[in-house]
Order: sequence, then C-alpha cells, then structure tokens
Amino acid sequence: SQTIHQWPATLVQPVGSPLSLECTVEGTSNPNLYWYRQAAGRGLQLLFYSVGIGQISSEVPQNLSASRPQDRQFILSSKKLLLSDSGFYLCAWSVQTGNQPQHFGDGTRLSIL
Amino acid sequence: SQKIEQNSEALNIQEGKTATLTCNYTNYSPAYLQWYRQDPGRGPVFLLLIRENEKEKRKERLKVTFDTTLKQSLFHITASQPADSATYLCALVRTGGSYIPTFGRGTSLIVHP
Repeated sequence: SQTIHQWPATLVQPVGSPLSLECTVEGTSNPNLYWYRQAAGRGLQLLFYSVGIGQISSEVPQNLSASRPQDRQFILSSKKLLLSDSGFYLCAWSVQTGNQPQHFGDGTRLSIL
Repeated sequence: SQKIEQNSEALNIQEGKTATLTCNYTNYSPAYLQWYRQDPGRGPVFLLLIRENEKEKRKERLKVTFDTTLKQSLFHITASQPADSATYLCALVRTGGSYIPTFGRGTSLIVHP
C-alpha cells in the first residue's frame, strides 16, 4: 500500500533562518506531488506541484522554493524565513491520471519567531 | 472570481442525528467534486468523489449530492457518532484543467454524545 511521510512534525525557526521540509512517498511510481500551506481558519493554499523529477510549478510567488530530486521525494525550502511563513505545511500525492483524489501527509507545523 | 463557500460556523448535532454540510461554488464548471475529512493537526483524508453527471453517491453512512444547477453539493452523515467530529472540506476540480483540486475552508462538525 502507498504511504506518505513528512518530517519534521513541528518546527520552530527564527526569522531569517533557512528551511528544508522533506516529503517522501512509498508504494507508487510517477506520482504527482504537491505542497500546500494551511493558515488557521483558512483553506488549503497550493504552493507547488510537480508532475515529474525536476518539474516544478509554482502557484504563489513567495520566498519559498520546491525541488524534486527523486521520483518520490519532494522538498520545500527557503533561504530566509519570514514571519508570514508560519503555518501548517502539507505534502500530498496523487496518481497522474485525472479524477483521482489527493493523499496527504500529516503535515509540519512551522512557527517563526 | 471563482469561490468555494463552506459554512464557517461549526455544526453542532446530537449523536444519532443526520449531519448535513453544504458546499456552494460560483464561477466554476467543476468536472467533479471531492469531500475530505481533516482531524486537528492531521492532513485531510479523502472520503468521496462525485462527478458532474452524478446526482448522488453513497458510502456506508455517507452520502453526497451534486446539483450543478444550484452549484451546490451536500454531504450527509447518517446516524452520526462523536467519532465523526472533524472538519470536512470540499474540493472542486475544473473541467479541462490540470486535475488539481481547489479546496474550500471546511466546516467543523461536532457530534455531542
């Protein structure tokens, strides 16, 4: 069966520090991969998605970036965190054909001090 | 602009009753609609998918309806239990799009014993 792992579960970082969140998927090949941010009381905001290794689409301009160095690995990064980067970050995967649901990891709670 | 609206106020019901959650949308032509459950501090979990040409879909105690004329989906949980307490998100996927769903903000359901 397929599983998705995200780490760390919680992270407290000072303003201006770098960020690296990692997500890996097991049990499937060639998945679409996604990074979302969920602010308190708000919906899921799509940040990045990827349909293959090295292929990244950005939905929202910001100081975050994403990379997909391997088929089932998706990384969210920042060189310098802002206070506004605080939130709940979720990684998800789906199969590449249409009308398939998304499968989410358990998220990373990021607090910027 | 495109909007997905879910009631921001929590729905409180007694155990055993039917819970009905609403998802309204404007300026969308969705190919299909998905419903997810999200528990606090966890990622959303896919529940049901309904296509634009389907009026109703059932899965155990869950039922989803989709009215493209009213631009509305209703999500029902029959014989509700305290364990059904969670936030429920609807997500729309547009026709001719990239199959990436757009999520509503979710409605919190609280089932009282």
